[in-house]
Amino acid sequence: AAGVIQSPRHLIKEKRETATLKCYPIPRHDTVYWYQQGPGQDPQFLISFYEKMQSDKGSIPDRFSAQQFSDYHSELNMSSLELGDSALYFCASSLDRGGNTIYFGEGSWLTVV
Amino acid sequence: AQSVTQPDIHITVSEGASLELRCNYSYGATPYLFWYVQSPGQGLQLLLKYFSGDTLVQGIKGFEAEFKRSQSSFNLRKPSVHWSDAAEYFCAVVPGGTSYGKLTFGQGTILTVHP
Repeated sequence: AAGVIQSPRHLIKEKRETATLKCYPIPRHDTVYWYQQGPGQDPQFLISFYEKMQSDKGSIPDRFSAQQFSDYHSELNMSSLELGDSALYFCASSLDRGGNTIYFGEGSWLTVV
Repeated sequence: AQSVTQPDIHITVSEGASLELRCNYSYGATPYLFWYVQSPGQGLQLLLKYFSGDTLVQGIKGFEAEFKRSQSSFNLRKPSVHWSDAAEYFCAVVPGGTSYGKLTFGQGTILTVHP
């Protein structure tokens, strides 16, 4: 079965640069979630989108922005990168936000040097 | 404040032994409860979930969990551990009635399995 696809899987950026992560949800899923997992940390909810509109917001820095496009894929844009942004970024998707299990992608590793 | 606690950071068991991973939550009302497993460098896989009803929940890979309201706990169990179960396990909750995707995770428990 198709899963959540994230790209790139690994990314190395320098401080103050910009990075963009992409997420392709499971077909027919209309809700996308982004999580950040720092080294040795538990995943932290960043933001979610339902039907291309932001539905929830967590601990997402102002330097980060995200959107969901008409084909339901989502992109997380991170600017003015800091060393502390180095983390594993997960995308997850679900079929509507109200009552279904969410499925996680394998994550995108961002290293800021 | 609402929180999820996994008291054990690291657990080591022998292959074939039984396993129990603890999870406690602090929420005003019964939240929705989940257990996820994460292998090194991999994504999060859902093992099982509890929304309501029968307090003993069966999941994949032979795992089960029991919801105990009186103890605010949702402990994960497996009667006989296999070497492939070595991974990190996360308990996660969502306040009842909210988006199922806005999970709050516990700190995780790393499981090591000795042959």
